[in-house]
Amino acid sequence: ETGVTQTPRHLVMGMTNKKSLKCEQHLGHNAMYWYKQSAKKPLELMFVYSLEERVENNSVPSRFSPECPNSSHLFLHLHTLQPEDSALYLCASSQTLDRTYEQYFGPGTRLTVT
Amino acid sequence: GQNIDQPTEMTATEGAIVQINCTYQTSGFNGLFWYQQHAGEAPTFLSYNVLDGLEEKGRFSSFLSRSKGYSYLLLKELQMKDSASYLCAVTDSNYQLIWGAGTKLIIKP
Repeated sequence: ETGVTQTPRHLVMGMTNKKSLKCEQHLGHNAMYWYKQSAKKPLELMFVYSLEERVENNSVPSRFSPECPNSSHLFLHLHTLQPEDSALYLCASSQTLDRTYEQYFGPGTRLTVT
Repeated sequence: GQNIDQPTEMTATEGAIVQINCTYQTSGFNGLFWYQQHAGEAPTFLSYNVLDGLEEKGRFSSFLSRSKGYSYLLLKELQMKDSASYLCAVTDSNYQLIWGAGTKLIIKP
């Protein structure tokens, strides 16, 4: 595997379910990001990790819980979601936290909350 | 507030040239990115401009004017595979990355 991978690619869940999204980067990068992408809206940055430490949490509801067990893996744990949480969730990584470095994105998880 | 504006959708013809504009109002400036995103796929890096002027990479060029808060992405000799969304993003003075909503480009034969 190369680049950034995400699983699952598609997820349908009810509002009472608990599920997790997984991201893995094979680039040796130090920074990882979770984004939410909704139709016709800018990417929304949710969480930022640097070397497994959470450095940004952008007012994300507590029903989204990130986890970064090591610098290559990132999870997003989901519970009691709302229909408005349906979106494409993108994981990205970059060499450092410096936002002048390009970010490498995974293909995303298309989440539908019913 | 910080804002990035780009057209929602554009249509162009195969073989032609198209220019996608991006204007920004941010607290400071530390660079501007263009990414390409095909439907259902990951955004991929196209270009990064930090100084004024035009940078060319094959069929794609990106222009920046910092004084005008303006950039464009120029695509030449359009191919059907260029049908995608094009995302503009600016790094502000706090090194936060501000994203535009993207421009969906439709290429017609």
